[in-house]
Amino acid sequence: AAGVIQSPRHLIKEKRETATLKCYPIPRHDTVYWYQQGPGQDPQFLISFYEKMQSDKGSIPDRFSAQQFSDYHSELNMSSLELGDSALYFCASSSKDGGGTDTQYFGPGTRLTVL
Amino acid sequence: QKEVEQNSGPLSVPEGAIASLNCTYSDRGSQSFFWYRQYSGKSPELIMSIYSNGDKEDGRFTAQLNKASQYVSLLIRDSQPSDSATYLCAVIENAGNMLTFGGGTRLMVKP
Repeated sequence: AAGVIQSPRHLIKEKRETATLKCYPIPRHDTVYWYQQGPGQDPQFLISFYEKMQSDKGSIPDRFSAQQFSDYHSELNMSSLELGDSALYFCASSSKDGGGTDTQYFGPGTRLTVL
Repeated sequence: QKEVEQNSGPLSVPEGAIASLNCTYSDRGSQSFFWYRQYSGKSPELIMSIYSNGDKEDGRFTAQLNKASQYVSLLIRDSQPSDSATYLCAVIENAGNMLTFGGGTRLMVKP
């Protein structure tokens, strides 16, 4: 079965640079979520989109922005990168089925290292 | 106080034993509960979801939910060394559809 695709898988940037992470949800999934996982921590919710509209917002810095496109893929844009942004960034997708509860399936993640 | 709490472990069990993982949550309005397994450096992998009080079994895994006590657990029967990983309890709280994770419990299954 098709899974969530994320690119790139690894990214190295310098401080103050920008980065763009991409997420392609499971086919026919309409909701995308972004999570950040620092070393030794559990994933923290950043932001989500349903049908191309922002649906929930978590602890996402103002330096970050995201959007969902017409083909349902999503991009997380990160500017003025800081050392503390070094983390694993996961995208998850779900489908609002008839039950209304969304089971989220995670992509393989993008490991961002800021030097 | 964290909204979702787990014992960080490590929980060490011998191969073939039952591993019992526990999780408590604070939001009484929470409706959806999930267990994910995460190997080091990898993404969370869904094991079980549970929405109603009681037990739900899937192969060697049994999830238990008690909403009155705000408690959810995962039992792993016949534990294998390949089950050694961090197990994340995740909850969808009353507001929104995002997952709130507990800190995870590291399980070690010794041959």
